[in-house]
Amino acid sequence: DIQMTQSPSSLSASVGDRVTITCRASQGISNFLAWYQQKPGKAPKSLIYAASGLQTGVPSRFSGSGSGTDFTLTISSLQPEDFATYYCQQYYNYPPTFGGGTKLEIK
Amino acid sequence: EVQLLESGGGLVQPGGSLRLSCAAAGYSFSNFAMSWVRQAPGKGLEWVSAISKTGGSTFYADAVKGRFTIARDNSRNTVYLQMDSLRAEDTAVYYCAPGSVGGTYRFDNWGQGTRVTVSS
Repeated sequence: DIQMTQSPSSLSASVGDRVTITCRASQGISNFLAWYQQKPGKAPKSLIYAASGLQTGVPSRFSGSGSGTDFTLTISSLQPEDFATYYCQQYYNYPPTFGGGTKLEIK
Repeated sequence: EVQLLESGGGLVQPGGSLRLSCAAAGYSFSNFAMSWVRQAPGKGLEWVSAISKTGGSTFYADAVKGRFTIARDNSRNTVYLQMDSLRAEDTAVYYCAPGSVGGTYRFDNWGQGTRVTVSS
């Protein structure tokens, strides 16, 4: 199975900050990488597909990049509603696997 | 708008069984594979099982292989997860999620989840 490693596991930031979350795959996955946002008690929400494709309705302050084994999710200017946990996931091959999550908290 | 409604969760004793259902609407159900993904309390996301769009192929995580069975009824736009020989470590919120045009395991839409608690 492909292991997905996210860093950091938690992050404190302020409204307006630019933040970057990193995801590393244990082997190359081309651009078959998705990012999800999850708020407490809610289902995950898809933000990014194919490493850099923005889902419809997702604000443009979210962006994704990377290919192969190293990927990043960037939020250009944090808004209060962005404080949540973020997960990466590879869908390059079976079984699909998720990163351990990054909890983004208010500083 | 894609809608996914899971049901069937609850409290069950170790060794017991439970059947989860996920009713889908708002898209062509029979054209997409379906997966179940779970999340244990305070933990991350874990893919559990998938079924092809026709139901002819099924896939399982090692942790549930031999104990869980996935099925679908395309006439009812519903996918099921039969969970037998349940263990405490199966305690989780279970989400259903269809695949997408971009990939069987790319989850663009998720249900709200149904909670399963395995405890005596």
